[in-house]
Amino acid sequence: DAGVIQSPRHEVTEMGQEVTLRCKPISGHNSLFWYRQTMMRGLELLIYFNNNVPIDDSGMPEDRFSAKMPNASFSTLKIQPSEPRDSAVYFCASSLQGEAFFGQGTRLTVV
Amino acid sequence: GENVEQHPSTLSVQEGDSAVIKCTYSDSASNYFPWYKQELGKRPQLIIDIRSNVGEKKDQRIAVTLNKTAKHFSLHITETQPEDSAVYFCAAFSGFQKLVFGTGTRLLVSP
Repeated sequence: DAGVIQSPRHEVTEMGQEVTLRCKPISGHNSLFWYRQTMMRGLELLIYFNNNVPIDDSGMPEDRFSAKMPNASFSTLKIQPSEPRDSAVYFCASSLQGEAFFGQGTRLTVV
Repeated sequence: GENVEQHPSTLSVQEGDSAVIKCTYSDSASNYFPWYKQELGKRPQLIIDIRSNVGEKKDQRIAVTLNKTAKHFSLHITETQPEDSAVYFCAAFSGFQKLVFGTGTRLLVSP
């Protein structure tokens, strides 16, 4: 397995634009997590899915953020409209019984 | 919900010394406690983990201990080397399939 795959690796966008981050989890894993990492706030859990169902989205900062997992092999995190304070590294991780593996992350810069 | 606290936030040691990082968790239902190492510009990587039915686990120079009664768990690195320099995160995995991270410890090992 190639591990957790995220795309794009880097994204630079203008304020107000829509941003979509993508994640392909490891085959067979039943949990998927979206994290945001900044120097100030560390690794924040935004939302997680279990068996494709969103379980807890209490970490999603605002209604501008949304996430979907239409099937076991794909998830998206969307920010609309984006703002400069959304600039961060966004990680996707998948797990089976807790042992989680991270994707390489998407570095988002909103100018 | 689960809350994980991690101390210290920074730790500087001389090569060859031991390093200890401590974490506490709040959810008594948490049953899996992984530790991750993140090097600059890279994704967090799982280095060791422990489940709630075990008190201690070792893997070469690293060990993790768990005190379920006190809700404490710790990472011990012996004979530290410069390549151990990184940010280390503890995490707790609850019965709700939620993986919550501590705030991280920046370890610097000086030659």
